[in-house]
Amino acid sequence: DVKVTQSSRYLVKRTGEKVFLECVQDMDHENMFWYRQDPGLGLRLIYFSYDVKMKEKGDIPEGYSVSREKKERFSLILESASTNQTSMYLCASEAWNRDEQYFGPGTRLTVT
Amino acid sequence: DAKTTQPPSMDCAEGRAANLPCNHSTISGNEYVYWYRQIHSQGPQYIIHGLKNNETNEMASLIITEDRKSSTLILPHATLRDTAVYYCIVRPDGSGNTGKLIFGQGTTLQVKP
Repeated sequence: DVKVTQSSRYLVKRTGEKVFLECVQDMDHENMFWYRQDPGLGLRLIYFSYDVKMKEKGDIPEGYSVSREKKERFSLILESASTNQTSMYLCASEAWNRDEQYFGPGTRLTVT
Repeated sequence: DAKTTQPPSMDCAEGRAANLPCNHSTISGNEYVYWYRQIHSQGPQYIIHGLKNNETNEMASLIITEDRKSSTLILPHATLRDTAVYYCIVRPDGSGNTGKLIFGQGTTLQVKP
């Protein structure tokens, strides 16, 4: 079975801190995605990547950056965390033929 | 914006079939219909997808109307573990697209004993 893991289920950070969210998949998938999920707004795409060292902005990239140095790992970086980045963050991966996306369990980030 | 319309909530008795409708009247010829579900506090889970033919797998069946403007997800024997938010998503195939999934508000299915 495909497994997508995220480094933390719950995280609490202070305003202004630099935050790293890690995502690892074990199925050699080419495509990886970062979404955030907020009540009433659904899931929104932050960044995605089709290959190592490649990244593309999604719908809400402001305040975030990403890194993909290895195929299996896709990191989301909050350069200076703010309270409006309190959210559930979901990572997903899929194969090149884009059949189905596999999601991780999510990281619930609280910025105080 | 989501390109699908789903009822906000539905109830189903345990052991009965759950039929979840979805309208996608503006669907394009190269767009597939996908269904995902999200159980509370978990990431979304893929269920099934199709283009124009009906599809069935171990989890569910997908019935797409001939004009492709609507579809129904069928869980043949709903259990309490099927209580979740179900999302109907249309997604284009082919290169040149982001591949992102646009999640709407979905249907909250409550399976009752």
